[in-house]
Amino acid sequence: DTGVSQDPRHKITKRGQNVTFRCDPISEHNRLYWYRQTLGQGPEFLTYFQNEAQLEKSRLLSDRFSAERPKGSFSTLEIQRTEQGDSAMYLCASSLEGFNYGYTFGSGTRLTVV
Amino acid sequence: GQNIDQPTEMTATEGAIVQINCTYQTSGFNGLFWYQQHAGEAPTFLSYNVLDGLEEKGRFSSFLSRSKGYSYLLLKELQMKDSASYLCAVLNQAGTALIFGKGTTLSVSS
Repeated sequence: DTGVSQDPRHKITKRGQNVTFRCDPISEHNRLYWYRQTLGQGPEFLTYFQNEAQLEKSRLLSDRFSAERPKGSFSTLEIQRTEQGDSAMYLCASSLEGFNYGYTFGSGTRLTVV
Repeated sequence: GQNIDQPTEMTATEGAIVQINCTYQTSGFNGLFWYQQHAGEAPTFLSYNVLDGLEEKGRFSSFLSRSKGYSYLLLKELQMKDSASYLCAVLNQAGTALIFGKGTTLSVSS
């Protein structure tokens, strides 16, 4: 098992452009989460999938953000019309059901909007 | 609402013991987690407490008091590699999201 993979590791984009990130969770994990982290802050919850169903979305997830997990395996996070305030590390995590396993995080995608 | 407080920074020397405190006020509670995050890397799971008391795992221990909304992470025999950010997180009532504090940056010097 190679852990949680995220692609790309870094993305620089111009304001107004659309970007899409991919997350491949640990294969047997049915739960998948997206978080955003800015410098000096803890990760902020964005959204949660159980299998292919998106069961919870944070108020931080504006209309410009959309996430999918079409077959209950990999997930994508798209940001439309990027703004400078979207610059952050986007972290994906996965877990099994059962609280004491914790989440396994990927290494993140660092987005810089210029 | 959700409020998780932990000190911003702490310093310690190699071989010492350090305690990182976390207080929380959340609308629901399903357990408390501690994560370690080195600069530029992903958070890694350290511990989980759902009942009151102390959980020990090698050099690291974590304590929880649900009535006080309080936890601490105890690191013993500090090593330079323990220099990192330590994140306290509460699992919400539905069990669907971890809510993180801002993290405590620990610097270990020789």
